[in-house]
Amino acid sequence: DTGVSQNPRHKITKRGQNVTFRCDPISEHNRLYWYRQTLGQGPEFLTYFQNEAQLEKSRLLSDRFSAERPKGSFSTLEIQRTEQGDSAMYLCASSLGLVWQVNNEQFFGPGTRLTVL
Amino acid sequence: SQQGEEDPQALSIQEGENATMNCSYKTSINNLQWYRQNSGRGLVHLILIRSNEREKHSGRLRVTLDTSKKSSSLLITASRAADTASYFCATENYGQNFVFGPGTRLSVLP
Repeated sequence: DTGVSQNPRHKITKRGQNVTFRCDPISEHNRLYWYRQTLGQGPEFLTYFQNEAQLEKSRLLSDRFSAERPKGSFSTLEIQRTEQGDSAMYLCASSLGLVWQVNNEQFFGPGTRLTVL
Repeated sequence: SQQGEEDPQALSIQEGENATMNCSYKTSINNLQWYRQNSGRGLVHLILIRSNEREKHSGRLRVTLDTSKKSSSLLITASRAADTASYFCATENYGQNFVFGPGTRLSVLP
């Protein structure tokens, strides 16, 4: 399978716990994006990487959220001290995206559904 | 608030009919893209239209872009039950991230 993969697919945690999600993009893709999607809404941008560099972070990404892409391949998104409001689907996408290139088609993974009790 | 806003929020049609959904946005863009999301599945890219293009076709899909009105429309012709999904527009601007709208939920009834 050469698509974008995300693990785990589902995560249930208690409030206050830390969680970490992983995204494996399409291998030759330079850009990697994280989004959050709640029921009935479109994806909300969280952050994106150009290779290993994190170029932009949304205001939605509080200090409890951190993302890494250490070798420009897979990425992790960590949420510390989870709150019930963090319950959502977390989507990862990748695109070919050379530096400052626009007109990028994004390929999305299946998402990780987080439930905070 | 999100830049893209789709209209209508929900649409029900009979199989074989055409479905039209609209998207409005607020700032200048490099391109506008339409995505489809089936229940329980990921987002799938449908079509991209650049800011210097006015119309684009892909199979049964037709997309228009009016940059003076900051709006786009997606037309699905001869709809099928398999077209039942949520449809999102997303705008991309140079050096910035993608902004998705809240989506149009399309139901195609057999």
